[in-house]
Amino acid sequence: GNSVTQMEGPVTLSEEAFLTINCTYTATGYPSLFWYVQYPGEGLQLLLKATKADDKGSNKGFEATYRKETTSFHLEKGSVQVSDSAVYFCARTPYGGSQGNLIFGKGTKLSVKP
Amino acid sequence: EAQVTQNPRYLITVTGKKLTVTCSQNMNHEYMSWYRQDPGLGLRQIYYSMNVEVTDKGDVPEGYKVSRKEKRNFPLILESPSPNQTSLYFCASSRGGLEAQHFGDGTRLSIL
Repeated sequence: GNSVTQMEGPVTLSEEAFLTINCTYTATGYPSLFWYVQYPGEGLQLLLKATKADDKGSNKGFEATYRKETTSFHLEKGSVQVSDSAVYFCARTPYGGSQGNLIFGKGTKLSVKP
Repeated sequence: EAQVTQNPRYLITVTGKKLTVTCSQNMNHEYMSWYRQDPGLGLRQIYYSMNVEVTDKGDVPEGYKVSRKEKRNFPLILESPSPNQTSLYFCASSRGGLEAQHFGDGTRLSIL
């Protein structure tokens, strides 16, 4: 079926630390993959996306590579800032079934301390 | 500015009192969706719409209704709200069914 699994949080890092948030998806179809970020009190914002295998999405220093062989789309950033504190959601388009739907992971809360 | 606007942002009400959460987008998007966000469960789709007068159920449609009479608006209706519908609700729109979605800022509903 369709699912996305993210590492559970919360994740607490010091400023300038390296960040990895793991995300894996079920190997059904050829999904597009997304990372969304939700800052406190706000809606979700698209952070980056990748539409096919080996694509790398990048934005604001964050990167994620679409790995078909490992069905993964891990989010990375080399040096986090306090302003990166937010909840991060991995998502995929569904295989078959309903259109206009994204399948979301449960979210990973990141806290960055100065 | 491209945006998805939800109203109200916050609402506290009582069981059984009908309520409507409005959603409007100014990007001429075909697809619109409603999600609810609950701790430990992430986001789950309630209903979606592929175009005017075309709607379909998502993963958790029970207790909700929607309509799409105009392209820009997609209201969420709770005919008889119950406490288990207390949640944070998001409206989203996209150009296509497999495109990235644009989200509103959310509506926090508390049903007492």
